[in-house]
Amino acid sequence: QVQLQESGPGLVKPSETLSLTCTVSGGSISSYYWSWIRQPPGKGLEWIGYIYYSGSTNYNPSLKSRVTISVDTSKNQFSLKLSSVTAADTAVYYCASTGILTGYSRYWGQGTLVTVSS
Amino acid sequence: EIVLTQSPGTLSLSPGERATLSCRASQSVSSSYLAWYQQKPGQAPRLLIYGASSRATGIPDRFSGSGSGTDFTLTISRLEPEDFAVYYCQQYGSSPQVTFGPGTKVDIK
Repeated sequence: QVQLQESGPGLVKPSETLSLTCTVSGGSISSYYWSWIRQPPGKGLEWIGYIYYSGSTNYNPSLKSRVTISVDTSKNQFSLKLSSVTAADTAVYYCASTGILTGYSRYWGQGTLVTVSS
Repeated sequence: EIVLTQSPGTLSLSPGERATLSCRASQSVSSSYLAWYQQKPGQAPRLLIYGASSRATGIPDRFSGSGSGTDFTLTISRLEPEDFAVYYCQQYGSSPQVTFGPGTKVDIK
């Protein structure tokens, strides 16, 4: 079964770039879209975007100008960069597998809290 | 842009009762692309239902999904203590490509 694990700094300064990596194990990285989803404390889920192993991406229009998602198939990893962060970007960030034809996410990482603060 | 609305915001019920959760879309959603998730505090969401009515692997049959077009429903036939959680609906395919509803909290009455 597919397992995902997020890693990266838990604290980022305002105006800087948030960087996270998700390591995939137990499955082929070519079998799914690979998504980033976030959840501000006490709030709902927000889809950030996803990437296919080929490198093609799809981003949430509300974040598109600040988001880059990349993939490293040799390491079975994909990454998120979110630039010019503010306190509003403080959230638990999840990586997840997303079905290519179905759009649902069966496998999720445990999530990592990223706080934006000076 | 498609918007999902869930109602009620909070549902207060007792164990053994039936829970009916609603998800309404601002425009038609293909039934193939409507999913439901359960989230407990401190945990990642768990896929319950996909394709509007198909249960994910390992999900008890007390959970069922139905609906089409703009109106979808998640029903929990008899609430177990472990079912008290927040439930999200999610659509895929309309811009933005993936959208979640705001969630319904099912808490103990």
